[in-house]
Amino acid sequence: GQQLNQSPQSMFIQEGEDVSMNCTSSSIFNTWLWYKQDPGEGPVLLIALYKAGELTSNGRLTAQFGITRKDSFLNISASIPSDVGIYFCAGGSIQGAQKLVFGQGTRLTINP
Amino acid sequence: GAVVSQHPSRVICKSGTSVKIECRSLDFQATTMFWYRQFPKQSLMLMATSNEGSKATYEQGVEKDKFLINHASLTLSTLTVTSAHPEDSSFYICSARVRRGLSNQPQHFGDGTRLSIL
Repeated sequence: GQQLNQSPQSMFIQEGEDVSMNCTSSSIFNTWLWYKQDPGEGPVLLIALYKAGELTSNGRLTAQFGITRKDSFLNISASIPSDVGIYFCAGGSIQGAQKLVFGQGTRLTINP
Repeated sequence: GAVVSQHPSRVICKSGTSVKIECRSLDFQATTMFWYRQFPKQSLMLMATSNEGSKATYEQGVEKDKFLINHASLTLSTLTVTSAHPEDSSFYICSARVRRGLSNQPQHFGDGTRLSIL
């Protein structure tokens, strides 16, 4: 089946630093989504990407849909303590009612 | 907008009990809802796709008689874990897509249900 490789698995940074994480796949996706999950809660949508090459920002967050449709990255600028959490990428395909395949997650820890 | 409510948030019950989890889209209609399972420190694994007015589509390896899904309206889907056993203990999360023609719409997630079987 389809799989996503998300890296890094964990990050330990200082407050104020920039963060970068990415996902790659051997399969093509028509949609790339980035979610953040806090402990004991469901994932919250951060950015949705629908076109190859698309670059979208949401405040301090920027994400891009790779031109090959097989990868995506998420950048967070000037990190703050509330950025702590687990970030998941998810790829969606038109087939199968837009089912999502999730990456393994990136656990972000910030030292104040 | 696009709020998904899941209830209950936590369930603790004895082995052999059946447990029902509700997923509601509060401010939109959802033709399709999805049910996921998440083990500690792992990613979300899709269990089934719930379609309003028709049978759910289950992922490979998911027992449909064990995990009963009903999607009776455009705002409500339920997951029933039948005769639950300790190995069914997990974090169950639902999601829903806004019903808006053929345009791309992302999945919005509920806050999850922590199921603990003793």
